[in-house]
Amino acid sequence: QVQLVQSGAEVKKPGSSVKVSCKASGGTSNKYVISWVRQAPGQGLEWMGVFNPFFNTANYAQNFQGRVTITTDESTSTTFMELSGLKSDDTAVYFCAEGTSLGDPWGPGTLVTVSS
Amino acid sequence: EIVLTQSPGNLSLSPGERATLSCRASQFVSSSYLTWYQQKPGQAPRLLIYGASTRATGIPDRFSGSGSGTDFTLTISRLEPEDSAVYYCQQYSRSSWTFGQGTKVEIK
Repeated sequence: QVQLVQSGAEVKKPGSSVKVSCKASGGTSNKYVISWVRQAPGQGLEWMGVFNPFFNTANYAQNFQGRVTITTDESTSTTFMELSGLKSDDTAVYFCAEGTSLGDPWGPGTLVTVSS
Repeated sequence: EIVLTQSPGNLSLSPGERATLSCRASQFVSSSYLTWYQQKPGQAPRLLIYGASTRATGIPDRFSGSGSGTDFTLTISRLEPEDSAVYYCQQYSRSSWTFGQGTKVEIK
């Protein structure tokens, strides 16, 4: 079955950017539809966007338009989420999840801390 | 954007009791695209129910989902201590997802 491995924790300064990776394996092809979901401390789940390699398109949540970019490298089955203009309230765990209409499985999460 | 509202926010029940969690949508949601997840502290969400009523692989049959249109329900028929978690509903439409704010279930 599909497994997702994410990059390690990051500490960033306000105004900078962060790029988190999610490497997929175990599927029948090297194409994986990967969504990104974040969770601020003690808060709920917030969908950020998705990359669909079958259509080579990304779709982003309105809250993140202009700040988030999701890309994929099919040769390594790795999807990247880059978030720019970081603020303290971007401190969160960032999850990747495989699937078009739902997430299964999910990666373990990457903690991004934004602090001066 | 479709807004999902979950109720109650918190639920505290004893082992063996029945839990009923509600997820109400601001507009029509296809049953095919209504999903429930369970999340325990420090863990990623785990797929519980998809298509509003189909249990995911390995999910015990004490978990069941129902509903259609704008009103959906997750029922845990006989609570076990390991069911202590936050439960989220999620919908898919127009290539995007939205989540409810979650219901925290505590086992007394």
